[in-house]
Amino acid sequence: LAKTTQPISMDSYEGQEVNITCSHNNIATNDYITWYQQFPSQGPRFIIQGYKTKVTNEVASLFIPADRKSSTLSLPRVSLSDTAVYYCLVGDSMDSNYQLIWGAGTKLIIKP
Amino acid sequence: DADVTQTPRNRITKTGKRIMLECSQTKGHDRMYWYRQDPGLGLRLIYYSFDVKDINKGEISDGYSVSRQAQAKFSLSLESAIPNQTALYFCATSDGGVDTQYFGPGTRLTVL
Repeated sequence: LAKTTQPISMDSYEGQEVNITCSHNNIATNDYITWYQQFPSQGPRFIIQGYKTKVTNEVASLFIPADRKSSTLSLPRVSLSDTAVYYCLVGDSMDSNYQLIWGAGTKLIIKP
Repeated sequence: DADVTQTPRNRITKTGKRIMLECSQTKGHDRMYWYRQDPGLGLRLIYYSFDVKDINKGEISDGYSVSRQAQAKFSLSLESAIPNQTALYFCATSDGGVDTQYFGPGTRLTVL
């Protein structure tokens, strides 16, 4: 059963680059890694997804090493509105039942 | 995301009562999910459905049941609510795989 580990909280300042790392030691061969953002009283929202190496979109980058046992979400030049909880998600198909295991989330606080 | 709606948004009930939470989606996705969220614990999967005839237990299915009435509708029932089922419940959909899930606004359930 895959498990993910993330820092419970982080803080940074406006304009800085923020990197949040998620560990997923038992990721399955076919699993993708997906990151979500959640604001209070809202459902999580998709940020970025990757399988290996590096993926970049208009809001973030995702770095995945060759062994895929971890991933790092990179948020460039953060602003106050990036204050939220960030989750990494990996699927675990190694059990007889397919399971989706979410990390506990990282609470990111951006200061002015 | 307005494409995924949940009713009710808030509900207070008493121990032992039966309660149903409903989820509807207009995204045309085959896959639907029910999660619960507790403070500090992230999201935990209760049930998921890959199509109308497919229902699967998630990480914490005990005490819950679901019904997939149509591609667009997925209901979660608590047959006999208990206080430790007090939580925020989210419905989500996806168009395949376990990635890029689209979440509803959530239902805040309180069991007294």
